[in-house]
Amino acid sequence: AQSVTQPDIHITVSEGASLELRCNYSYGATPYLFWYVQSPGQGLQLLLKYFSGDTLVQGIKGFEAEFKRSQSSFNLRKPSVHWSDAAEYFCAVGALDSSYKLIFGSGTRLLVRP
Amino acid sequence: GAGVSQSPSNKVTEKGKDVELRCDPISGHTALYWYRQSLGQGLEFLIYFQGNSAPDKSGLPSDRFSAERTGGSVSTLTIQRTQQEDSAVYLCASSYTGGREKLFFGSGTQLSVL
Repeated sequence: AQSVTQPDIHITVSEGASLELRCNYSYGATPYLFWYVQSPGQGLQLLLKYFSGDTLVQGIKGFEAEFKRSQSSFNLRKPSVHWSDAAEYFCAVGALDSSYKLIFGSGTRLLVRP
Repeated sequence: GAGVSQSPSNKVTEKGKDVELRCDPISGHTALYWYRQSLGQGLEFLIYFQGNSAPDKSGLPSDRFSAERTGGSVSTLTIQRTQQEDSAVYLCASSYTGGREKLFFGSGTQLSVL
């Protein structure tokens, strides 16, 4: 079965430091990949997505992610973290058996030190 | 409306009672989804609506769970004879037509079954 693994449950970084959140997926071909962010008390918001083409995708709020087929990874990065980035981040992959279903990882909670 | 609205935001119920969770999607969005977020886990797909039809109910955990959508708009997720394992955050999302589009999520209903 398809799966998405986010190996880090929690990550703490200092404000202004760089950030990388890891995501690995189980499907070998070119998948549809997404990163969503969930701020406290709010719904999930799409940060960026990858369907095809350039493997480095830019998203909102200064985030980017790189698709690496050889590593089955889609890691999220930001060069300089702001306190407002503290939230939970979910990686997701489009399900093989449908055009609309997403399979989500278990999330990574980001804490930002002042 | 401006965003996806879910009610109630919190629901505490006793084991064995029935509950109804409501989702009001963004106006004009034909696709509507329900996901469940259990503690420490990723989002789990429950059901997908296209208009008032539910072509995919494959994620509903048991026959105690049902959902409907009326007028191509509001959706209600009903859980009968609630069990403690039903405790979770129930998230609703909508998108314009379905497919690999950006999903717009509500802030969820936190269900606690005592």
